[in-house]
Formats: sequence, structure tokens, C-alpha cells
Amino acid sequence: AQSVTQPDIHITVSEGASLELRCNYSYGATPYLFWYVQSPGQGLQLLLKYFSGDTLVQGIKGFEAEFKRSQSSFNLRKPSVHWSDAAEYFCAVAGIQGAQKLVFGQGTRLTINP
Amino acid sequence: DARVTQTPRHKVTEMGQEVTMRCQPILGHNTVFWYRQTMMQGLELLAYFRNRAPLDDSGMPKDRFSAEMPDATLATLKIQPSEPRDSAVYFCASGPQRGAGVYEQFFGPGTRLTVL
Repeated sequence: AQSVTQPDIHITVSEGASLELRCNYSYGATPYLFWYVQSPGQGLQLLLKYFSGDTLVQGIKGFEAEFKRSQSSFNLRKPSVHWSDAAEYFCAVAGIQGAQKLVFGQGTRLTINP
Repeated sequence: DARVTQTPRHKVTEMGQEVTMRCQPILGHNTVFWYRQTMMQGLELLAYFRNRAPLDDSGMPKDRFSAEMPDATLATLKIQPSEPRDSAVYFCASGPQRGAGVYEQFFGPGTRLTVL
């Protein structure tokens, strides 16, 4: 069965600093990987996804993520964060067999210091 | 701007009452998902439908929860009777089918349910 681990429950960075949010997955084959963002009181918005091909994927709002098969990781990065990036970030995985069933990590809450 | 809509956004009820949550998926999306989010369990898939037929409801407590799609524009999640442990945010998501699966899910704003 698929599983996702986000090791950091809460991260605080200063505005303008770089950001990396970690995500490790467990799946026997090539997974489909996603990052979602959830602002307070809102639903989840898809930031980016990886299905195949180039392992560095670009998303919305200046985010990118890199798929590393050898490390079973799909870390999210942003070179310079803005105060509006404060939110909760979820990594999710789906497999080919039942690709419609997303398994989410527990989330990482991002706080931005002015 | 196509969006998934959910009603009500907030619901406070007393234990034992019936609760009905509604979802309007994005037009043209044939797969609809129901999730529950709590602090303890995170995001859990309760059930999902394709072309209005239930494909998987293994995540849903069968004794009190039921999910239906009366038509392509409406999905409902009912809890009867409700219990305090059902307090959570319930999300609906929809997605277009591509091949064997759905690779993008678009989430609604959620229904925050409080059962007293």
C-alpha cells in the first residue's frame, strides 16, 4: 500500500528566504506524486504534479519539486518565500492501480516571519 | 472559473441529528470524491464515485454514513445519526477521468461540521 511521510510538522522561515519541504513516499512502482496547499479555512489547491518524464517539475506560485527515485522523495522548493505562502502543504501519492485514490501525508504547516 | 462548490460551509448540530452535506462537482468531471479532515487522522478518503456509481466506500463507516449522486451535478454525504466524533471538515473533490484513473483532483472549500 502507498504511504507518504512528511517529516516536518511545522516549519518557520523568514520572508525572502528559500524553502524546502520534505516528502518521502512508499510505493512499489513509479508513483504519481502531488503537492497541494491549503490556506486557512480553504480547500486544497494543486501546486504541481509528477507523472513521468523530467524529474524537476514546475508548479504555480513559483514552486517546484524534484522526484528522486533513489531516495523515494519528492521535495517541494521555492527560492524566495512570500508572506502569502503561509499555509499547510500536503504531499500525496497515487499508484497506477487505482490512481484515483490519493494518499496524503500529514501535512507541513509553514509560518513566514516578516 | 470552474470550481467545486459545497454546502453548507459550516454546520453545528446535536448528537443524534441527521446531517446532509452537498457537493456540486465541476461540470464535465465524472469522478467525485469525499474526504474527511481531522487533526488526529489528517485527510482520509471516505468514498468516491465515477459516472455516479460508487466505486469505493471502504473508508466510510457504513452504519451511519451514506453517499449518493442523485445526478451528475450533485453529490451528497449523509450522517445519521451524527456523533461528536464525526466533527471534522468534509471535503468534496472532483476530477476528469483520463485512461484508467483520475490524476488531478479539484477540491471544494469544505463543510466544517461540529456535532455537540
